[in-house]
Amino acid sequence: GQQLNQSPQSMFIQEGEDVSMNCTSSSIFNTWLWYKQDPGEGPVLLIALYKAGELTSNGRLTAQFGITRKDSFLNISASIPSDVGIYFCAGQGGSGGYQKVTFGTGTKLQVIP
Amino acid sequence: GAGVSQTPSNKVTEKGKYVELRCDPISGHTALYWYRQSLGQGPEFLIYFQGTGAADDSGLPNDRFFAVRPEGSVSTLKIQRTERGDSAVYLCASSSNGGIETQYFGPGTRLLVL
Repeated sequence: GQQLNQSPQSMFIQEGEDVSMNCTSSSIFNTWLWYKQDPGEGPVLLIALYKAGELTSNGRLTAQFGITRKDSFLNISASIPSDVGIYFCAGQGGSGGYQKVTFGTGTKLQVIP
Repeated sequence: GAGVSQTPSNKVTEKGKYVELRCDPISGHTALYWYRQSLGQGPEFLIYFQGTGAADDSGLPNDRFFAVRPEGSVSTLKIQRTERGDSAVYLCASSSNGGIETQYFGPGTRLLVL
């Protein structure tokens, strides 16, 4: 099935550094989502973006919905050890009440204390 | 707890066997989704239920895969004649009514086909 292109695939950063990751698609989406997945758990929603150009923050996390509706980025400021995990972008789209979610390939984040 | 639960958490089976994976969604959620996550990949959509009916089963890879939700709550994903390539984490999610509402994921069932 289709998966969105996410970069970087993995990254090692020092605690306290800022992190940026992005996601691109060949398709237009109505909603962009960012999830975090810890080992042995399901993904947990971090941020949802509903409008092209929208910039939304959730604590140290900031995400933007690209103007073309085909891309999004996620920034994490002042990283801490508990930020370790895999981050997935996801696009949501469709007609009517049903909005199918398509996930990205993931960015694995490692934080060095 | 009040979250999505999945059983079993791990399942090891032999090639050719039949397996059933169970999902208990959040109480009151009418929408239920199954995803498959292979190692190093993001979740891939399999099937979406709205109430008791499968509203979108376009993600099921072939006719060995089938899912039911007879009473509109618990769902079972069934895999016949398992193959080694079926090994993956099978995730279930639910949302309040299937629109843009947040999907809440369970911890997944890790299936290993030997």
